[in-house]
Amino acid sequence: GQQVMQIPQYQHVQEGEDFTTYCNSSTTLSNIQWYKQRPGGHPVFLIQLVKSGEVKKQKRLTFQFGEAKKNSSLHITATQTTDVGTYFCAGRYNQGGKLIFGQGTELSVKP
Amino acid sequence: DSGVTQTPKHLITATGQRVTLRCSPRSGDLSVYWYQQSLDQGLQFLIQYYNGEERAKGNILERFSAQQFPDLHSELNLSSLELGDSALYFCASSGAGGRNGYTFGSGTRLTVV
Repeated sequence: GQQVMQIPQYQHVQEGEDFTTYCNSSTTLSNIQWYKQRPGGHPVFLIQLVKSGEVKKQKRLTFQFGEAKKNSSLHITATQTTDVGTYFCAGRYNQGGKLIFGQGTELSVKP
Repeated sequence: DSGVTQTPKHLITATGQRVTLRCSPRSGDLSVYWYQQSLDQGLQFLIQYYNGEERAKGNILERFSAQQFPDLHSELNLSSLELGDSALYFCASSGAGGRNGYTFGSGTRLTVV
């Protein structure tokens, strides 16, 4: 079935270190979105990627969509304590279709 | 405030009971989505409505039902509750196609005892 796998499940880093989370689908995605959920909060939309090989940046965050549109990654450069939370990718298999969330990567940052 | 309102914030009820969760989407959004979040299952898609009509269904149990009313607010009904139904239930809304992402409410935390 339609499933989006995300790794790692947990990542503990020292403040200033980089962080990357990866998402993978066995079938081609129409688009992929990324969300951040702070502890005790709700998911907040970060970005959507649509085109093959697309790369988008938001300050220290870099989002990539694979050439085959089956994988995506989120990279945070020089993490800060404010980056703490769970990062979810969410893929859509057809335009207007339901959004399937990955399991999320919980990031903790040690000051 | 995300613009999506969910009530109640917390709900504690006994097994076998029925509860109703309510969601008001962000102004102008026609699509409403319900998700269940538990520790071991992540964010599971339950159901989607668009302008009052059911658009997509996910892993929603037969004991669960939902609807979207003419004023676009939505209700999720959970019946014959079991301990395993304890979870955080999120409602989200979006504009046409969800191109700008979903806006989530703050969720309803359901505890079944």
